[in-house]
Amino acid sequence: EIVLTQSPATLSLSPGERASLSCRASQSVGTYLAWYQQQPGQAPRLLIYDASTRATGIPARFSGSGSGGTDFTLTISSLEPEDFAVYYCQRRDSWPPRLTFGGGTNIEIK
Amino acid sequence: EVQLVESGGGLVQPGGSLRLSCTVSGFTFISYWMSWVRQAPGRGPEWVANIKQDGSETYYVDSVEGRFTISRDNAKNSLYLQMSSLRAEDTAVYYCARGPSGNRLEYWGQGTLVTVSS
Repeated sequence: EIVLTQSPATLSLSPGERASLSCRASQSVGTYLAWYQQQPGQAPRLLIYDASTRATGIPARFSGSGSGGTDFTLTISSLEPEDFAVYYCQRRDSWPPRLTFGGGTNIEIK
Repeated sequence: EVQLVESGGGLVQPGGSLRLSCTVSGFTFISYWMSWVRQAPGRGPEWVANIKQDGSETYYVDSVEGRFTISRDNAKNSLYLQMSSLRAEDTAVYYCARGPSGNRLEYWGQGTLVTVSS
């Protein structure tokens, strides 16, 4: 079973700062990795899929990257007030199509 | 506009049953895999089950295998999750989601809360 480990658990930053969130897979997942944002009391929202493709309507300040199929990064270039939230990475087994989520990173206002 | 609306959550005793529904609009339901994902209080999301477009294939997380059944009615644009032998650890907000499409869940409902307690 492939495990996704997100770090740090909490990131304390100020508006306008750059955020870098890490998601590490225990084995290679190729580029089959997605990122979601979750605001309190709301459902997760898809931000990035296939490691680096922004979903429809997602601002350009959000970007995803990955290397070696195991190390992935979600970068927010300049934090807006609405970006303070919890972020999850997620992958899918080739077959059967089981899904796995990471433990999450909470971006809080410093 | 894509919309997914869950219903059917509530308070149920351990060992009891509950049926969740998800009604969708704004896209061609029969063209997509569909999934249920749950989130226990203070925890991250956990995938529960998914179903192929025609309902011919279904998959479950190990912890619900044999207790939960995912199904769909393409004529009614509806997805279901029949839950039985419920346990305290099944307490969570249950979301329906469109996908996986490729590796992702593109759209999510607002969720319905299931509480298993005596």
